[in-house]
Amino acid sequence: DQQVKQNSPSLSVQEGRISILNCDYTNSMFDYFLWYKKYPAEGPTFLISISSIKDKNEDGRFTVFLNKSAKHLSLHIVPSQPGDSAVYFCAASARDTGRRALTFGSGTRLQVQP
Amino acid sequence: DTGVSQDPRHKITKRGQNVTFRCDPISEHNRLYWYRQTLGQGPEFLTYFQNEAQLEKSRLLSDRFSAERPKGSFSTLEIQRTEQGDSAMYLCASSPDTDRQPQHFGDGTRLSIL
Repeated sequence: DQQVKQNSPSLSVQEGRISILNCDYTNSMFDYFLWYKKYPAEGPTFLISISSIKDKNEDGRFTVFLNKSAKHLSLHIVPSQPGDSAVYFCAASARDTGRRALTFGSGTRLQVQP
Repeated sequence: DTGVSQDPRHKITKRGQNVTFRCDPISEHNRLYWYRQTLGQGPEFLTYFQNEAQLEKSRLLSDRFSAERPKGSFSTLEIQRTEQGDSAMYLCASSPDTDRQPQHFGDGTRLSIL
């Protein structure tokens, strides 16, 4: 039973355009959501997070949107750059689960074309 | 700023052997987590430490898996009598002991079972 789903295995965008990565979750106890970026042969790198009390969080080129009623979040990257090409993981946690152990989606591979 | 360090980066062993991996978290982080990642999937939570106390271990994959954090600093993950299915990337993460803080990951140990 996948509690966090990333339904698009891959996404290709042109440099300078917007990249939108999507994530859905089923567990209503999740109250903290994160996006990680992963390059080959490296561990996941934290990008941005959002608490369930907010619906938007912005950090530079990265913005995360949370729609609690739809149990959906998205990551927007504007403008996209070739260096953004990586696998992006959505993750979620609940307060009482393994003291905030993360449940991950299966990832979306983003390719930004020059 | 020293990040999470894992050793070794790659371990190749024969089926049936025991292996041990080490994780050094960010020094001021009390929480330490182990995850496993297989090809095409996101990381999967295994176990969690708060200082030296292992507070969640029900998600360890079998009784062949064990973890320790004897002095609340570095941690080890041991797999006894390895099997082909244990081949994966083993990731360690740490975070401060406050709510809704991102976990920071090491680059992982890739285990290959011959």
